[in-house]
Amino acid sequence: QQPVQSPQAVILREGEDAVINCSSSKALYSVHWYRQKHGEAPVFLMILLKGGEQMRHEKISASFNEKKQQSSLYLTASQLSYSGTYFCGTLRAGAGSYQLTFGKGTKLSVIP
Amino acid sequence: NAGVTQTPKFQVLKTGQSMTLQCAQDMNHNSMYWYRQDPGMGLRLIYYSASEGTTDKGEVPNGYNVSRLNKREFSLRLESAAPSQTSVYFCASSLWTDVPGGYTFGSGTRLTVV
Repeated sequence: QQPVQSPQAVILREGEDAVINCSSSKALYSVHWYRQKHGEAPVFLMILLKGGEQMRHEKISASFNEKKQQSSLYLTASQLSYSGTYFCGTLRAGAGSYQLTFGKGTKLSVIP
Repeated sequence: NAGVTQTPKFQVLKTGQSMTLQCAQDMNHNSMYWYRQDPGMGLRLIYYSASEGTTDKGEVPNGYNVSRLNKREFSLRLESAAPSQTSVYFCASSLWTDVPGGYTFGSGTRLTVV
């Protein structure tokens, strides 16, 4: 089942902060975050595991709330290079599951 | 280090034609995947191969077949193309040990079926 991302789109000025959420109705084992720039392939940012610690990639960090089955991506002091569409991918708990299911994405635009 | 290589990058097919999309990775990853991306739909899994010698259906497998030729190569075949298969196709690979690894994506194939 596809995770739900919010917001669908956000516009920031350079230096502002943003939070992107990813929620699932199913028990999750891990959450991936990817960024895709227009016309390019998605690029892996970080992975969060059940019971694991908050992760960080440059000035981008993420958390995983197991009770809520939700992950949040925090973009701090945004830069123009952060523009793109952010996707979360969720892996359901359960042995033998290899299917990473992606949300529909959050389009982030950073303007000067 | 090439990562994941997909061919072709662009293709136009007529309805009913067949074609094979090729994908190869040089990172010694054990798992490989085919996704399609349509506007507003995100990435949807077509087929995946958890390890060499195995393949399984994903969310949208109808109209497609796959072959895991060896550890490096994973191909996607459209037997009789339909306009609904117009999309951008991404191949990806990852290393799974005790925990899932991040996916490395190829640059994509833009397919138009007319």
